[in-house]
Amino acid sequence: GAGVSQTPSNKVTEKGKYVELRCDPISGHTALYWYRQSLGQGPEFLIYFQGTGAADDSGLPNDRFFAVRPEGSVSTLKIQRTERGDSAVYLCASSAAVTSYNEQFFGPGTRLTVL
Amino acid sequence: AQSVAQPEDQVNVAEGNPLTVKCTYSVSGNPYLFWYVQYPNRGLQFLLKYITGDNLVKGSYGFEAEFNKSQTSFHLKKPSALVSDSALYFCAVRDRYNFNKFYFGSGTKLNVKP
Repeated sequence: GAGVSQTPSNKVTEKGKYVELRCDPISGHTALYWYRQSLGQGPEFLIYFQGTGAADDSGLPNDRFFAVRPEGSVSTLKIQRTERGDSAVYLCASSAAVTSYNEQFFGPGTRLTVL
Repeated sequence: AQSVAQPEDQVNVAEGNPLTVKCTYSVSGNPYLFWYVQYPNRGLQFLLKYITGDNLVKGSYGFEAEFNKSQTSFHLKKPSALVSDSALYFCAVRDRYNFNKFYFGSGTKLNVKP
């Protein structure tokens, strides 16, 4: 398919472990976003990439969270020393360009559970 | 600050009846408003958007939304609900200074009963 894909779909880990979540955006989309969705809440912005660079990382909750997009396509969200409060669905989205009218296309998400 | 509010956690409607899912916004300046739908275990899907122009916006799957500036609302509507419309609906506003940022409401669960 031509949509945004995310792997894994589910990730269970133990408190204190390191995890990586992967996002494959729609081919040709230069803008990529990460969101976190907690139970009963709407998605919350984490970080935005334009090309390879993180243009806005103001939503990352603390320095345990980090994301990269080395070749301007696939992105990886990395969480160090996971805590139970990190449990959520992590959504990735992409768009062709960042303008006022372009919508974002979302992947199915990765459900992270920290035990 | 930009924000949206969805006052109803859940909306119940019978199949064939009209439905409304409410959204109010708080922005400085002209708002860029969006509606997304989320089915179980799937990503958010774009339904429609208001950027400028006609206050009545038509979108996917027969949905429409009415932008009301005086009431700062952007309610989602459909004339005749289907059971398959049952899902979680999110209203969102785009930051007018940082187009990369969307602010989402907490979501409204729509239940359409046969």
